[in-house]
This record gives sequence, C-alpha cells and structure tokens, in this order.
Amino acid sequence: DSGVTQTPKHLITATGQRVTLRCSPRSGDLSVYWYQQSLDQGLQFLIQYYNGEERAKGNILERFSAQQFPDLHSELNLSSLELGDSALYFCASSATLPITGELFFGEGSRLTVL
Amino acid sequence: DQQVKQNSPSLSVQEGRISILNCDYTNSMFDYFLWYKKYPAEGPTFLISISSIKDKNEDGRFTVFLNKSAKHLSLHIVPSQPGDSAVYFCAASGVSSNTGKLIFGQGTTLQVKP
Repeated sequence: DSGVTQTPKHLITATGQRVTLRCSPRSGDLSVYWYQQSLDQGLQFLIQYYNGEERAKGNILERFSAQQFPDLHSELNLSSLELGDSALYFCASSATLPITGELFFGEGSRLTVL
Repeated sequence: DQQVKQNSPSLSVQEGRISILNCDYTNSMFDYFLWYKKYPAEGPTFLISISSIKDKNEDGRFTVFLNKSAKHLSLHIVPSQPGDSAVYFCAASGVSSNTGKLIFGQGTTLQVKP
C-alpha cells in the first residue's frame, strides 16, 4: 500500500460526458502528479501541483483540468470525453522537490469511454 | 517527442539467469534516473535510482548502469526470479528544472520462466 488513494477505481461513461477523478496523496506529501497510461503507451505526464499551485504541465489536453485543494487532495477533471480518452489515470505524490527520491503511485483509475 | 525510450516491449528469461532491461534518453538535461516496477492492477513502485554523477548503483539483486556519453541506462537483475515478472519503466528527471516531474519510457514486460 503506497498510501496514495485514488477514486473511483473503475469508471465507464459515454462520449461527450464529464468525469472527475480524485486523489489523496500520502500523508504529508505536498506534491501531486497526474499521469495517463493508454494502451501500449508509457506513463504520459499530465500535470503537477505543489502545495496547491500548478508546478509543471505536460501534454494535458485543454478539455482536461486539475486542481489541488488546501487539504492537498487533488482532482482531475476530464470533459467532452472522447473514445481516445479511455486509459488508466495514475496519481502520484512525493514529499520533496525536485525529485531525488521516489514517487508513490496510487492504483489508478481506469476510465472507459463508450 | 519521446525523450525516454525503451525499445524492447518484452523480454523473457529463465529463472536464475540475468535480466537486462535497456533504456535510452535524448535530453541531456536529465540528471536523475529511476526504475519502476508495475504489477497488473497495481500502481508502479520505485525500484532503484541513479544520479548522473554516478555510473553504477547496486541494491541487492538489482543494479543500474548509466552511460552518459551514450545517453543509455540499463537495469540488471541477477539472479532473476519468477516474482520479478512485471512491467519495468525507466524514468528521468531534470533536478535542475526544480519541478520534480518524471518522464517515463513505454515500459518493458519481463517474464521470468521457472
């Protein structure tokens, strides 16, 4: 158990819909990262928050947005969903910046868009 | 633009033999490298790391080698065990960028046969 909690574990929805994925980092970790893993793809970095502020942005679509709340949990919002958005979405947290230590990953949220 | 590449999607070795997983990177600003292991239905977990000031780091059966001139790193597992069967991701970060984000490769699926 990494200490990172992601909900929901599985989500099935239709094209055009909007979903919210939730992440609770390890206790005390200030940094939260979101990654997307599509079929046969590696982990694609989406966005990072540190203590409530956006710190780094990857190839995140404009239809996607995220935020980190004062209690340090984070939400990833995916809107106008397309079939290609079907993927595993991982949240990870770390205690320090920059990374010279490890990221702790949650078990992921599997999104299926039909 | 794939900055971190794992060109072998899969690798199969016999129990007790050496497993060698390879990773190439293109960005010379990367100065910290990590390997993660992922079992099905779980999030990736940290395995071992190496700083660019070193060329080797060892932790039990796992050794990571870094060849900066070739922009290449490899993970050696000796001896390989069936429980090592998993997907292995290499990742890189630029400590100097002060964001902490990791760039991951596509992963290599290792199968260790009894």
